[in-house]
Amino acid sequence: GAGVSQSPSNKVTEKGKDVELRCDPISGHTALYWYRQSLGQGLEFLIYFQGNSAPDKSGLPSDRFSAERTGGSVSTLTIQRTQQEDSAVYLCASSPTSGGAGVTQYFGPGTRLLVL
Amino acid sequence: AQSVAQPEDQVNVAEGNPLTVKCTYSVSGNPYLFWYVQYPNRGLQFLLKYITGDNLVKGSYGFEAEFNKSQTSFHLKKPSALVSDSALYFCAVRVNTGGFKTIFGAGTRLFVKA
Repeated sequence: GAGVSQSPSNKVTEKGKDVELRCDPISGHTALYWYRQSLGQGLEFLIYFQGNSAPDKSGLPSDRFSAERTGGSVSTLTIQRTQQEDSAVYLCASSPTSGGAGVTQYFGPGTRLLVL
Repeated sequence: AQSVAQPEDQVNVAEGNPLTVKCTYSVSGNPYLFWYVQYPNRGLQFLLKYITGDNLVKGSYGFEAEFNKSQTSFHLKKPSALVSDSALYFCAVRVNTGGFKTIFGAGTRLFVKA
């Protein structure tokens, strides 16, 4: 079946503008994660959703970042008033559940964001 | 604090030689350890994981990893490297913080020369 998809694949924006990044998880996966990968750095956890539970937002770097997940499926990560340091690849992942230790995450190809 | 360390930014090996990509961890409780690989311009792909059982775990593309509790390590290995193995490798640990969260290492870039 189809894997995790993300759109757009690339986004160039001007400093101060808002951007929305979309993630379509694998059908039936109840858990969805957002990460940020900056150049030369590892993956930084941002937020995760598990079913109807309140999301874990502990990784969001500032209040300019927010995310929602509609209908337990598609998720949108919104960055308001973008800054140059927001430039990074934003990765989405999904898993059948987040409740198990051995759960494998399936990653999308990412959205490469460049803030000029 | 719970963490994962990959001490090498880059590893260079010649094709046909064995390769090792190092990973150490610090967690409270039982560690649940993963390796993921990221090929150029592609998302991360799962390679292998250790949850319990045999310390030597075999995964995709001929890779394996050995869990060493006393050294708190989970090094990734392959007996004979291929040029196509060149990629960015991430070690990760799943931790229970009232819900399971995955903590990734900084990544190690592997270059395999023909």
